[in-house]
Amino acid sequence: KAGVTQTPRYLIKTRGQQVTLSCSPISGHRSVSWYQQTPGQGLQFLFEYFSETQRNKGNFPGRFSGRQFSNSRSEMNVSTLELGDSALYLCASRAPSSDTQYFGPGTRLTVL
Amino acid sequence: AQRVTQPEKLLSVFKGAPVELKCNYSYSGSPELFWYVQYSRQRLQLLLRHISRESIKGFTADLNKGETSFHLKKPFAQEEDSAMYYCALSGHRDDKIIFGKGTRLHILP
Repeated sequence: KAGVTQTPRYLIKTRGQQVTLSCSPISGHRSVSWYQQTPGQGLQFLFEYFSETQRNKGNFPGRFSGRQFSNSRSEMNVSTLELGDSALYLCASRAPSSDTQYFGPGTRLTVL
Repeated sequence: AQRVTQPEKLLSVFKGAPVELKCNYSYSGSPELFWYVQYSRQRLQLLLRHISRESIKGFTADLNKGETSFHLKKPFAQEEDSAMYYCALSGHRDDKIIFGKGTRLHILP
């Protein structure tokens, strides 16, 4: 099976812009979670989608949003980018009735 | 509130010496606990979980509910163990999975 894929792998934006990141889970996985990874804060949970519905949410401002499509692919959107949004954004999927997360390679976002 | 604390950002250990990566958690019920590892230039991946009580790559972790800890141990460190280690917690099967800030393990030759 192909692993979790994320596009793009690298992104450079300027303050105030918005960005959309994409994640394709492992085939058959219906749950997709998003994390922000930074050296200072480690992995911080953003949100999880299951069957096109947001199932869990972390403590991030409303500028961070997501959605999931019927084929389980997920997108994450960040509006009005700030310098502090520079991070590696990781997506993870898990199989039904499983608690093991399978991670993608991440999208490195740099905000200038 | 759910919280995972890894008190050490960096741990340096000589090859052949024992390793212990600390993890403490805060959760009001009975959590599921995990250790994830990220080797250089590789994806974050599951190392082990407490429910399976297994040893992976020589690592074990025991859940101590009294001390709310889930420390990761290995009796003899190997150079290939150098990596970033994350402790994680989940309340139940469909709950979000919360990670600690991670500990970088550096094995000295």
